[in-house]
Amino acid sequence: EAAVTQSPRNKVTVTGGNVTLSCRQTNSHNYMYWYRQDTGHGLRLIHYSYGAGNLQIGDVPDGYKATRTTQEDFFLLLELASPSQTSLYFCASSGTTNTEVFFGKGTRLTVV
Amino acid sequence: QQKVQQSPESLIVPEGGMASLNCTSSDRNVDYFWWYRQHSGKSPKMLMSIFSNGEKEEGRFTVHLNKASLHTSLHIRDSQPSDSALYLCAASNNYAQGLTFGLGTRVSVFP
Repeated sequence: EAAVTQSPRNKVTVTGGNVTLSCRQTNSHNYMYWYRQDTGHGLRLIHYSYGAGNLQIGDVPDGYKATRTTQEDFFLLLELASPSQTSLYFCASSGTTNTEVFFGKGTRLTVV
Repeated sequence: QQKVQQSPESLIVPEGGMASLNCTSSDRNVDYFWWYRQHSGKSPKMLMSIFSNGEKEEGRFTVHLNKASLHTSLHIRDSQPSDSALYLCAASNNYAQGLTFGLGTRVSVFP
């Protein structure tokens, strides 16, 4: 089965703090995604990428930066974390736009 | 306004019963529909996909798609307690926007 590994699995930071969430996929997939999941809002796309060095804006990009350094690695950066960014974050990957998307196990981020 | 609307929000089904879930997209650019299942505390996993009008069956799961109305439905027959989960409908297109998810239907199967 396709593997997407996220780290850390849990993170607590203070308001205004700097956070980097990491994601690595070993599926040779072109597409990688960052989603956040919140009760009442469901899963929402933050940023995605279709290859190393590429970045596309999703539906809820404000307050987030992302960087795809290699085919395998995709990072989500929160430079001035706010309590509204407390959420469950999922990284995912897929080969193309019409193939299965594989999710990592998620990172629970709490901003206090 | 959610671009992908799911109903009902929750469903309680007796073991061995049938569960029927609905999903409609308001985005006419949608090409593909997906159903994902997320057990409590876990990540979403794809259950089924459907791209053409009609019906597709895999074991106890059947999906229907009407592309004209952008409506898809998922039916689970002979429901088992292990089917208790959040069922997420998602839509995508050829423009590489990623999946757009609905809020989900929470299914509870009681013995």
